[in-house]
Amino acid sequence: QQQVKQSPQSLIVQKGGIPIINCAYENTAFDYFPWYQQFPGKGPALLIAIRPDVSEKKEGRFTISFNKSAKQFSLHIMDSQPGDSATYFCAASSPGAGSYQLTFGKGTKLSVIP
Amino acid sequence: EPEVTQTPSHQVTQMGQEVILRCVPISNHLYFYWYRQILGQKVEFLVSFYNNEISEKSEIFDDQFSVERPDGSNFTLKIRSTKLEDSAMYFCATMDREGSEQYFGPGTRLTVT
Repeated sequence: QQQVKQSPQSLIVQKGGIPIINCAYENTAFDYFPWYQQFPGKGPALLIAIRPDVSEKKEGRFTISFNKSAKQFSLHIMDSQPGDSATYFCAASSPGAGSYQLTFGKGTKLSVIP
Repeated sequence: EPEVTQTPSHQVTQMGQEVILRCVPISNHLYFYWYRQILGQKVEFLVSFYNNEISEKSEIFDDQFSVERPDGSNFTLKIRSTKLEDSAMYFCATMDREGSEQYFGPGTRLTVT
């Protein structure tokens, strides 16, 4: 119930391509869905986040698509660059006991080839 | 830009020893978290802390773990008697208000030998 399922595990795209990473959840109490980018040896950095009252959010080259009825959301990276090579984690949280703890997916290792 | 800081960046300890990991949250943030990430795996929630008390903890956060905010600025995670399986990256995260963004520190790599 608390899991967030993320796919694919790894992804290789050419520079300029549009990698898409998908996540699915079961817990309908989740109301906040962030994406984090992590470089080796670093902490997760917040990339973009969405709430269920909108179906899409765009910030620069990053877009989240959200399908509330299917309980799925995805990250699209437009015009991908080698510098985007990192591990991407989707996450979800709910108010719960006032904690707002994040439940993370297993991550997608993205490699953008020049 | 304000950021979460953590010390030490790397801690090596022997099994059975106590370790204290330290975090300095972004000032005016009220919600504090510890997460851990075993090498190559996903980030897992350990504990949340608000208003000077634990608000939620995971199954991982057993009696060997404790958190406190000793001086109103630092936020610490103590592992009383480390085990080999405690080897992981430990991340502190902070949030300023309910349901907003969580910002992560750079992490402490804990190696238990």
